[in-house]
Amino acid sequence: DTGVSQDPRHKITKRGQNVTFRCDPISEHNRLYWYRQTLGQGPEFLTYFQNEAQLEKSRLLSDRFSAERPKGSFSTLEIQRTEQGDSAMYLCASSLGVAGVNEQFFGPGTRLTVL
Amino acid sequence: SQKIEQNSEALNIQEGKTATLTCNYTNYSPAYLQWYRQDPGRGPVFLLLIRENEKEKRKERLKVTFDTTLKQSLFHITASQPADSATYLCALAPSGSARQLTFGSGTQLTVLP
Repeated sequence: DTGVSQDPRHKITKRGQNVTFRCDPISEHNRLYWYRQTLGQGPEFLTYFQNEAQLEKSRLLSDRFSAERPKGSFSTLEIQRTEQGDSAMYLCASSLGVAGVNEQFFGPGTRLTVL
Repeated sequence: SQKIEQNSEALNIQEGKTATLTCNYTNYSPAYLQWYRQDPGRGPVFLLLIRENEKEKRKERLKVTFDTTLKQSLFHITASQPADSATYLCALAPSGSARQLTFGSGTQLTVLP
């Protein structure tokens, strides 16, 4: 399967614990995005990478959240000191482009439950 | 504040009919508007992209219109099938940040056989 993959698919953790999610984009895609989605809502933008550079970050993104994309390939999203409000589906997407907007290819998501 | 509104109620239509979904926005000047389909437990799947200088785009049974004066996009599925049942999301890319998509909350479409 050459689509976007995410790992794990589900994560249950206790409040206060740290969690890390991984995203493997489509191999030739230079752009990578992280979104968060709660029930009944559309995805909410968190951050964007072009190659290894993190170029945009939502103002809503708490400093407990950090994302990396070393070497411009896979990406990780870490949430420190999780809170119950962090429970959501975390979606990763990738796209190919230099300028403008292109279609984004989404992964299946990681569902996080914070107890 | 910036706002994107999609059909607030779920939409049920009979197979074979045309489904029309609405996306309205305020306080945006989008450079692009995209439509995605999302099935339960899965990530969104891209359907169509329309630019601010385009009025209409078609792809097979799908048609999107974009009226920047009314600040509205309409998404049509003709000859609808039960397999078209899903949540449909519109997403805007504002001019200032062409890469950052802002999504509406989606419209749940059910096509009844």
